[in-house]
Amino acid sequence: NAGVMQNPRHLVRRRGQEARLRCSPMKGHSHVYWYRQLPEEGLKFMVYLQKENIIDESGMPKERFSAEFPKEGPSILRIQQVVRGDSAAYFCASSPRGGTNEKLFFGSGTQLSVL
Amino acid sequence: QQQVKQSPQSLIVQKGGISIINCAYENTAFDYFPWYQQFPGKGPALLIAIRPDVSEKKEGRFTISFNKSAKQFSLHIMDSQPGDSATYFCATRGTSGSRLTFGEGTQLTVNP
Repeated sequence: NAGVMQNPRHLVRRRGQEARLRCSPMKGHSHVYWYRQLPEEGLKFMVYLQKENIIDESGMPKERFSAEFPKEGPSILRIQQVVRGDSAAYFCASSPRGGTNEKLFFGSGTQLSVL
Repeated sequence: QQQVKQSPQSLIVQKGGISIINCAYENTAFDYFPWYQQFPGKGPALLIAIRPDVSEKKEGRFTISFNKSAKQFSLHIMDSQPGDSATYFCATRGTSGSRLTFGEGTQLTVNP
């Protein structure tokens, strides 16, 4: 049973370009969470999605960032017009259902570097 | 507003010693307190978790102690091994949602 798969593992973008990060949850999981980790810091919540729905986006920056989790295919975190401050590790986690009793399983992350 | 404060930021322990990492939270509506372990280049992995209806939970060499009145919980690693060297994160989750709020992390180094 494959775990949470994220790709690419490393992504290099120049300022002003777009970054698209993909996350395939564990089999049978329909809930996805995105977290950002800056160097030497903890994980900061960004967004929580269920298939075709955004449940909680309170941690998402108001501009340039968007996320989706379509009925078919992986969840996508999209960053438009990247800036150097966007350089970080982006982690995706999944759970079978939402709610307070669910364990979160994390992927290995995508390291985004903005030149 | 930081809701989970973790200390120390870094910790060095000799092999066989006890590693202790502490977390304090502010929101009394939290009802789930996990600890995650993260190795370089990897995502966090759930290590052990506790709910506020118990004061202690032990799994092998790992123990969580929970003090509800003080709003604090800690991770104890007994007989620490070099393979335990990693970053450890405490986290909390509220009663009304499923997202986790993480502490800032503790870099643990266990010397041989």
